[in-house]
Amino acid sequence: QQPVQSPQAVILREGEDAVINCSSSKALYSVHWYRQKHGEAPVFLMILLKGGEQKGHDKISASFNEKKQQSSLYLTASQLSYSGTYFCGTVNYGGSQGNLIFGKGTKLSVKP
Amino acid sequence: DSGVTQTPKHLITATGQRVTLRCSPRSGDLSVYWYQQSLDQGLQFLIQYYNGEERAKGNILERFSAQQFPDLHSELNLSSLELGDSALYFCASSVGEGHTQYFGPGTRLTVL
Repeated sequence: QQPVQSPQAVILREGEDAVINCSSSKALYSVHWYRQKHGEAPVFLMILLKGGEQKGHDKISASFNEKKQQSSLYLTASQLSYSGTYFCGTVNYGGSQGNLIFGKGTKLSVKP
Repeated sequence: DSGVTQTPKHLITATGQRVTLRCSPRSGDLSVYWYQQSLDQGLQFLIQYYNGEERAKGNILERFSAQQFPDLHSELNLSSLELGDSALYFCASSVGEGHTQYFGPGTRLTVL
């Protein structure tokens, strides 16, 4: 039931792009994306509620493909501040909306 | 700063002991969630309360219990502590179920 994130880790140079994927074996109701820096709390990035929904914030955007039961997070022209571990949290159809199940995370390192 | 507060920030105790972690949600938020984060397990959902009532349960051990009080603050009680309970414990809050969860700074528990 835990969503699968890929890749597990990625190293970028400043200005490069990255894609982080989140896949579930169950039908998804919503997908939540968070970024966590070492020793700190996860910080909310965005929530996708409808299949086909796409959202963007600055140079970080995400899409939600309900049919494929997956979501992707796109980071363009990466900055040093983008470094951290990215988690997707999923709510399954038929499950409690309060029960957010997180993937194991993708560690992103942006180098100068 | 998410607006969610947690105390204490750090807690060091011995095996077999009992501790209480406290969380105050953001003003106006009715839902409180507890998560455990250890190195090898990622973010594990423990339990959710909404306006004083338990709404969802995750992988919470029987040695652990929680409650949400009329003023909406919540406490997580951990008893008969074991070495494996050492972890970061996060509290999150949201306006309602399925809405964005905002995480507190966490309590780092070390069991010696």
